[in-house]
Amino acid sequence: QKEVEQNSGPLSVPEGAIASLNCTYSDRGSQSFFWYRQYSGKSPELIMFIYSNGDKEDGRFTAQLNKASQYVSLLIRDSQPSDSATYLCAVEETDSWGKLQFGAGTQVVVTP
Amino acid sequence: DVKVTQSSRYLVKRTGEKVFLECVQDMDHENMFWYRQDPGLGLRLIYFSYDVKMKEKGDIPEGYSVSREKKERFSLILESASTNQTSMYLCASFDPRQETQYFGPGTRLLVL
Repeated sequence: QKEVEQNSGPLSVPEGAIASLNCTYSDRGSQSFFWYRQYSGKSPELIMFIYSNGDKEDGRFTAQLNKASQYVSLLIRDSQPSDSATYLCAVEETDSWGKLQFGAGTQVVVTP
Repeated sequence: DVKVTQSSRYLVKRTGEKVFLECVQDMDHENMFWYRQDPGLGLRLIYFSYDVKMKEKGDIPEGYSVSREKKERFSLILESASTNQTSMYLCASFDPRQETQYFGPGTRLLVL
């Protein structure tokens, strides 16, 4: 059974601070990794994807990937109250084009 | 922009009813997915489809079936609704250029 693990939280972050979210996965052959944001009662929306080891930055978001250690992380800099949401880590399954395994999500709460 | 729509945002049905949930995407995507999402359990894949009339079971197909007669439309069918099928149902479409899934707004189903 392929697994994607995340801390459920809630992760409480002061406004303006950095939120750090971690995700580990079991499918060693996975090549594509995604972070989705989901507001309460809404559907997930894609915020970042990463394919190569290292860091990828997009605005206040940075995704980090380490395939050897099988973890992917997301940093949110200068956290804002609007960042309060659940963040889902997703990993594309090996040889199953388009099929993703999702973690259960980490709830982030940004406090003013 | 990728647009994925679902036929209903909220639905109330009675035990034993046959329920149809429809999903439509306008980007000519081949791969489409149906998930359910429950608190603490994350997104669980019910069924997916790689093309018209092609379907594959996901992790929790029991009690569900699907139909894909046209490329843009992927329907989830609850043959005889039960209370344990009360959930949020999410449809997704796979964008091969971004190599990721985009979600519809979701259908919150309550089975009484």
